[in-house]
Amino acid sequence: DTGVSQNPRHKITKRGQNVTFRCDPISEHNRLYWYRQTLGQGPEFLTYFQNEAQLEKSRLLSDRFSAERPKGSFSTLEIQRTEQGDSAMYLCASSFSGAVQYFGPGTRLTVT
Amino acid sequence: KNEVEQSPQNLTAQEGEFITINCSYSVGISALHWLQQHPGGGIVSLFMLSSGKKKHGRLIATINIQEKHSSLHITASHPRDSAVYICAVFSGVMHEKLTFGTGTRLTIIP
Repeated sequence: DTGVSQNPRHKITKRGQNVTFRCDPISEHNRLYWYRQTLGQGPEFLTYFQNEAQLEKSRLLSDRFSAERPKGSFSTLEIQRTEQGDSAMYLCASSFSGAVQYFGPGTRLTVT
Repeated sequence: KNEVEQSPQNLTAQEGEFITINCSYSVGISALHWLQQHPGGGIVSLFMLSSGKKKHGRLIATINIQEKHSSLHITASHPRDSAVYICAVFSGVMHEKLTFGTGTRLTIIP
């Protein structure tokens, strides 16, 4: 296993468009986390899944954001009607039952 | 006030110097992560600890639960140690989510 992967690595989109990111966790990991990081700041928690169940969502996750993990494996994060303030690095991490989290390389979103 | 505070924010040192980065937190935690982030975004977990001290190579992490404080030390620093070091704590109702500090940018000059 090569670790957590995220696609795409970079996404440039125009304001108002919808975007979807994908995260493939380490295969035996049951927990999957999404974080957002803006320039010069530490990451901020967005949401996490245990298997296919979404157990916690940050208030940062507005109605325009939705995340799924339909089969308890890969996850998608969709942002509808993107705004310039959504420009950030979106990080995915996975772990086995709350142990060490392994991070993916991130998807850098630029909204123009 | 942030729940996780790191100091210093920026640190420049000469190769070979002993480095200390500090992390203080104000919430109840179950464990603390030290993470390393290189330019381009990749984050690597260095340590996860809930008590005492851990050592890996030239890196040492300590935590004092009573004082809500942790330190990351780097001995014999090298230019390849240049990165952003981030402290993160497991917090929340079920201690499931990581709350991150803003990071310490370390630059080691040859």
